[in-house]
Amino acid sequence: NAGVTQTPKFQVLKTGQSMTLQCAQDMNHNSMYWYRQDPGMGLRLIYYSASEGTTDKGEVPNGYNVSRLNKREFSLRLESAAPSQTSVYFCASSRSDLTGELFFGEGSRLTVL
Amino acid sequence: RKEVEQDPGPFNVPEGATVAFNCTYSNSASQSFFWYRQDCRKEPKLLMSVYSSGNEDGRFTAQLNRASQYISLLIRDSKLSDSATYLCVVSNDYKLSFGAGTTVTVRA
Repeated sequence: NAGVTQTPKFQVLKTGQSMTLQCAQDMNHNSMYWYRQDPGMGLRLIYYSASEGTTDKGEVPNGYNVSRLNKREFSLRLESAAPSQTSVYFCASSRSDLTGELFFGEGSRLTVL
Repeated sequence: RKEVEQDPGPFNVPEGATVAFNCTYSNSASQSFFWYRQDCRKEPKLLMSVYSSGNEDGRFTAQLNRASQYISLLIRDSKLSDSATYLCVVSNDYKLSFGAGTTVTVRA
């Protein structure tokens, strides 16, 4: 049971570099999300996709872009990484955006130097 | 003011003890409430939903107090495996707001 799979699990970038975090779910869920988690703060929503073909900004979208490639996959791109983007990133999915039950991937730890 | 606030703890309790902690939320129109559990360096996982009348799931009891705008989680007969960070989650217009978490450490 793979659930939600994120890659890579760890990444170190230099300021200004770009990268894409990949996320895939095999639960046939409609909604997918990208969160970041920083010490002392709750998870903050970066972007979400309520259904295939739609994406919307969350609480902290600046510096990020997303693509809902198909129903299974939702990627997060950092075009020009900044040290403030050092964080743990979680992808999540849910049956719909009407439910509070999210299934999370294992997280991607990103360090920007 | 944060939408969801939690006492970060840590709550250090011996095995078998009862531990309880609250979470306050700022938006009185919030509709749904949840507790998630997050083990160290792992992903959050849904522990339980919180219903208006309160609900139990084994050793875990969740309560909602709309008048005072807080939810609570009580863990009875604590096990070593209950050591984790417990995240309070509040839903308003289908937007989920996460608290920063309360850390519980159960010692032998």
